[in-house]
Amino acid sequence: AQSVTQLDSHVSVSEGTPVLLRCNYSSSYSPSLFWYVQHPNKGLQLLLKYTSAATLVKGINGFEAEFKKSETSFHLTKPSAHMSDAAEYFCVVRRGSSYKLIFGSGTRLLVRP
Amino acid sequence: SQTIHQWPATLVQPVGSPLSLECTVEGTSNPNLYWYRQAAGRGLQLLFYSVGIGQISSEVPQNLSASRPQDRQFILSSKKLLLSDSGFYLCACVNGQGDSPLHFGNGTRLTVT
Repeated sequence: AQSVTQLDSHVSVSEGTPVLLRCNYSSSYSPSLFWYVQHPNKGLQLLLKYTSAATLVKGINGFEAEFKKSETSFHLTKPSAHMSDAAEYFCVVRRGSSYKLIFGSGTRLLVRP
Repeated sequence: SQTIHQWPATLVQPVGSPLSLECTVEGTSNPNLYWYRQAAGRGLQLLFYSVGIGQISSEVPQNLSASRPQDRQFILSSKKLLLSDSGFYLCACVNGQGDSPLHFGNGTRLTVT
């Protein structure tokens, strides 16, 4: 069975410092992995996706994520946090051609001035 | 690219009243469509998904139902709302399978009083 674990429910960083949001997955098949961002009372916006083409994936707004099969991880990073990055972030896994996507429980990112 | 329209943006309904939330999609044909619910402090829960007109799969037994009368229209309904139906409802679509990401609407905030 598939699952996604976001290891931190809340992460707090200072503006200008690096961001690390952690995600571990389990999947019996080659997964597709995604990171989404959600600002308050808004829908989810796709940040980036991993589809087995390259292990380091670059997304929008300076975010990137690295797929590490040996660690079953897909952590999201950004070198320098901006106030506008404050939001909730979801790690998502999709197994092969499945219609279903499995969402992590989310990580709320707080950016301090 | 796909555009997803959801309305209304916010809704306050009394317990026992009916519900109808509508979602329409532009910019794609024959998409897979999804209804998710996000309760306060919780992650996304998949309620229904549809792979074609009239085809609905329910993920959890509940007070809600879904219908897909047209290719790009997905409706979430209830005959009698419960307090526990309060939440943020998100419609999403994906075109194709494999590594295609989900695209989300801006959601409907439902408060049952």
